[in-house]
Amino acid sequence: GAVVSQHPSRVICKSGTSVKIECRSLDFQATTMFWYRQFPKQSLMLMATSNEGSKATYEQGVEKDKFLINHASLTLSTLTVTSAHPEDSSFYICSARLGQADAKAFFGQGTRLTVV
Amino acid sequence: EDKVVQSPLSLVVHEGDTVTLNCSYEVTNFRSLLWYKQEKKAPTFLFMLTSSGIEKKSGRLSSILDKKELFSILNITATQTGDSAVYLCAVEAYGNQFYFGTGTSLTVIP
Repeated sequence: GAVVSQHPSRVICKSGTSVKIECRSLDFQATTMFWYRQFPKQSLMLMATSNEGSKATYEQGVEKDKFLINHASLTLSTLTVTSAHPEDSSFYICSARLGQADAKAFFGQGTRLTVV
Repeated sequence: EDKVVQSPLSLVVHEGDTVTLNCSYEVTNFRSLLWYKQEKKAPTFLFMLTSSGIEKKSGRLSSILDKKELFSILNITATQTGDSAVYLCAVEAYGNQFYFGTGTSLTVIP
């Protein structure tokens, strides 16, 4: 089956620093990857849609300058949380689709970010 | 408020038993319902359901969706210890939003 690998699984960083999270599709090419954030007692809320070779599309209310997304290849997308603050502490997860019209979504294992 | 509710929260059965896991939902702009198996790594995709009444089957696992009553079931027949895992139900709404249930923890005893 399709595998999506996310790294790191846990990261602790100091306020003001930047953190990069990687999302890789291991055995398929993902033209589109999605980045989600989980808020307490809520399911996954979409942050942005990442398309290979083009700028990411951000959801309303998500700061594009703070959450930098790069989709450099068909198998790799990165999310960089810049100038992290404690309120950025959360669980971030990526997913990838096999194709544009294919609704099957494959998720990474998620990254627990703690900003101290 | 959009939500997905799974039941039971946990289940312990013996090998060879048949289990039924339940997932009910209230989600606007429903697109699809998905079942995942969560072990140590990322959720492993099992089924995607979009139409009512059409059973999806894969080996000993099967699932069906009822869009009128807003629920889905996941059946596992002849359970094996390798089936022990948390089974997640998720509903996708249009706009790429996912709503996950809390999962059902299944333990299969030899």
